[in-house]
Amino acid sequence: AQRVTQPEKLLSVFKGAPVELKCNYSYSGSPELFWYVQYSRQRLQLLLRHISRESIKGFTADLNKGETSFHLKKPFAQEEDSAMYYCALNDGYTGGFKTIFGAGTRLFVKA
Amino acid sequence: DAGVTQSPTHLIKTRGQQVTLRCSPKSGHDTVSWYQQALGQGPQFIFQYYEEEERQRGNFPDRFSGHQFPNYSSELNVNALLLGDSALYLCASSSEQGAVDEQFFGPGTRLTVL
Repeated sequence: AQRVTQPEKLLSVFKGAPVELKCNYSYSGSPELFWYVQYSRQRLQLLLRHISRESIKGFTADLNKGETSFHLKKPFAQEEDSAMYYCALNDGYTGGFKTIFGAGTRLFVKA
Repeated sequence: DAGVTQSPTHLIKTRGQQVTLRCSPKSGHDTVSWYQQALGQGPQFIFQYYEEEERQRGNFPDRFSGHQFPNYSSELNVNALLLGDSALYLCASSSEQGAVDEQFFGPGTRLTVL
């Protein structure tokens, strides 16, 4: 069954430290993977998608099919990065898709 | 463009009642997906509507039903409410003509079942 696992509920780092939010997935086929972010009192929004291979707000994520992982990384955390982060995958495109989310990791960046 | 809007913001119901939640998609979007987010959990996919038809469904019972109107807005209906239906219900819209996988989320409706 398709599944997304985020092993850490909470991750606390100091400002300027590197951060890595872990995500593992289970999917038969080639997954479309995403990271969503929810800042305090804001709605859920797309941060980045693996197919774009882009860096957003200093964050990058590499798809590792061998390890079935899609970890989110940033070399130097900022206080404004404090938020809830969700890893997700899209299942199916022809005839619609469903998005499967992980349970989320709360990132807290300390001054 | 206000983006995705949902109403009402909050709702309190009792067990056994029925509820209808509403969603207006972002301008230019034609696809609406609904999610249930229980406290401390990630969003769980309920179903997706396109061209007024349900075309994808998650593992939710038939008590959960929906509708999409010609103007692309959508409703989520839940019958015979259970305490476990208490959650934040999120609506997301996307476009078949654009980046299909880019979803925009609404602020959610907080449903409390007593």
